[in-house]
Amino acid sequence: DQQVKQNSPSLSVQEGRISILNCDYTNSMFDYFLWYKKYPAEGPTFLISISSIKDKNEDGRFTVFLNKSAKHLSLHIVPSQPGDSAVYFCAARRADSWGKLQFGAGTQVVVTP
Amino acid sequence: NAGVTQTPKFQVLKTGQSMTLQCAQDMNHEYMSWYRQDPGMGLRLIHYSVGAGITDQGEVPNGYNVSRSTTEDFPLRLLSAAPSQTSVYFCASSYSSEQTQYFGPGTRLLVL
Repeated sequence: DQQVKQNSPSLSVQEGRISILNCDYTNSMFDYFLWYKKYPAEGPTFLISISSIKDKNEDGRFTVFLNKSAKHLSLHIVPSQPGDSAVYFCAARRADSWGKLQFGAGTQVVVTP
Repeated sequence: NAGVTQTPKFQVLKTGQSMTLQCAQDMNHEYMSWYRQDPGMGLRLIHYSVGAGITDQGEVPNGYNVSRSTTEDFPLRLLSAAPSQTSVYFCASSYSSEQTQYFGPGTRLLVL
């Protein structure tokens, strides 16, 4: 029972344009959400996070939006750069089990020149 | 700091063999965890530890054992490998369960 879903396995975007990655969740007990980025043959690295008390969080070119009523979050990358080509994982956790992250299946982003 | 290190990088096992995947961190992190990554499944939590001597099960613990005798090390043991355990295994650590987790580079395991 996958509680965090990334329905787009891949995304291709031109350099300089916006990348929008989507993530849906089913568990209303989730109160903290994270995005990780993963290059081949490396472990995931933390990118950005958002608490359920917020609806937006920005860090440089990366912005995460949270819509609690729709149980949906998105990651915007503006502008996209070739180094952004990677797999992006959405993850969520509950307040009563903070160490237990639930991950989505990931979205492969390819940024073309 | 070396961060989170994992050995080996790659391993081939035959069904029924046992092995230990090593994980070490030099950041004095209390919280450590093991995940497996399978195609189309994302990462799933196997076991975790909130400190030396304390471990607990995650989402998919069957077939795996862990122990935490020191803060630095958190080995994952496969007692009798099965083809269903073919996967990429990631170890992660953080100062506490509330903090962002740092992941190791992974161990790719193939069970024949």
